[in-house]
Amino acid sequence: QQPVQSPQAVILREGEDAVINCSSSKALYSVHWYRQKHGEAPIFLMILLKGGEQKGHDKISASFNEKKQQSSLYLTASQLSYSGTYFCGTFAYNNNDMRFGAGTRLTVKP
Amino acid sequence: EAQVTQNPRYLITVTGKKLTVTCSQNMNHEYMSWYRQDPGLGLRQIYYSMNVEVTDKGDVPEGYKVSRKEKRNFPLILESPSPNQTSLYFCASSLTGGASYNEQFFGPGTRLTVL
Repeated sequence: QQPVQSPQAVILREGEDAVINCSSSKALYSVHWYRQKHGEAPIFLMILLKGGEQKGHDKISASFNEKKQQSSLYLTASQLSYSGTYFCGTFAYNNNDMRFGAGTRLTVKP
Repeated sequence: EAQVTQNPRYLITVTGKKLTVTCSQNMNHEYMSWYRQDPGLGLRQIYYSMNVEVTDKGDVPEGYKVSRKEKRNFPLILESPSPNQTSLYFCASSLTGGASYNEQFFGPGTRLTVL
């Protein structure tokens, strides 16, 4: 079953913050985050492996709550280049197949 | 340059005409997979391969076949394409069989239209 992402879409002004959520009905081993620009391949952002883990680079960070089977992606002081569709991908325990959420379309306006 | 390549990039075909989409990676990755992307549904995994000669079904395998005879290649075969297989297809690979903890590198995509 695919993880559920929310919101489906969000529109920001440059400099504003956003949070994208990803939740699963299965116990998760890892959560991956990718960004896709229109007409291009998805690009890797980060992987979270352990419950409670947080990662980040530049002004994009993420957290993973293993008990709640949830992950959140935080975009701080958004830039125009952050526009795109964000996908979470999950691996459940004892599974080698990856399930992606339906995506969150992020638009950053000047 | 490290990359995943797919061919063709665009394909228009007719119902029932067998086709193959090739995928090749030059990074010595063990894990390879195929996804289809449809509006509102995100990426759905079709098949994946942990290593040579080891393949398994993903979320939506019906109507597709794969083979992994060499480490670098992972072709997707549609024996009898139907219009509901019209989609954007991505091949991806990752470093080791533990794909759960390694990033996946995606190919540029193949846009398939079945008439």
